[in-house]
Amino acid sequence: AQSVTQPDIHITVSEGASLELRCNYSYGATPYLFWYVQSPGQGLQLLLKYFSGDTLVQGIKGFEAEFKRSQSSFNLRKPSVHWSDAAEYFCAVAPKTSYDKVIFGPGTSLSVIP
Amino acid sequence: GAVVSQHPSWVICKSGTSVKIECRSLDFQATTMFWYRQFPKQSLMLMATSNEGSKATYEQGVEKDKFLINHASLTLSTLTVTSAHPEDSSFYICSASISAEPTDTQYFGPGTRLTVL
Repeated sequence: AQSVTQPDIHITVSEGASLELRCNYSYGATPYLFWYVQSPGQGLQLLLKYFSGDTLVQGIKGFEAEFKRSQSSFNLRKPSVHWSDAAEYFCAVAPKTSYDKVIFGPGTSLSVIP
Repeated sequence: GAVVSQHPSWVICKSGTSVKIECRSLDFQATTMFWYRQFPKQSLMLMATSNEGSKATYEQGVEKDKFLINHASLTLSTLTVTSAHPEDSSFYICSASISAEPTDTQYFGPGTRLTVL
């Protein structure tokens, strides 16, 4: 069955520290991969996406993610976290044939300590 | 970037009544709109996909007669929760895309909090 897992339910980091949020997927073929951020009172915002090509993807707000086919992973990273990065982060996958079966991971809640 | 709005942002209703939630793409034409449901501390679950001018496609387990979706124009989709009950209380989120192609970005609305008493 297709699934997306985010092993960390909640992560706390200090401001300025580096961040890595994990995402693993189970899919028949390499799907399209996404990371979204959800802040209170705001809609989900797309941070970055991977369709093909370079496995290191740059996104907005200083985020990047690396696709590793051998590990079925698409981990999100940021070298230096800002207090405004505190939010809920969702990894998502979609089949290459259609968008209407997008699957979201359970989410990782990020807290940032000043 | 593209903006998607939802109205209302929150609503409280009595059990047995119907509630309509609007989703609008403000600065682009959305051929395809998606409706999600999010329970507290949980992820988004796709409820249905709607294409302008055609019937919505519902995910397995979603009651199409309870969750009526209308996508009458390229900028507006509505979700009507009919005969709402407390178990329908949730956070409903819509997204809009130029098409159903995975390469087209989905733009999400801020969500609507529904509480059924």
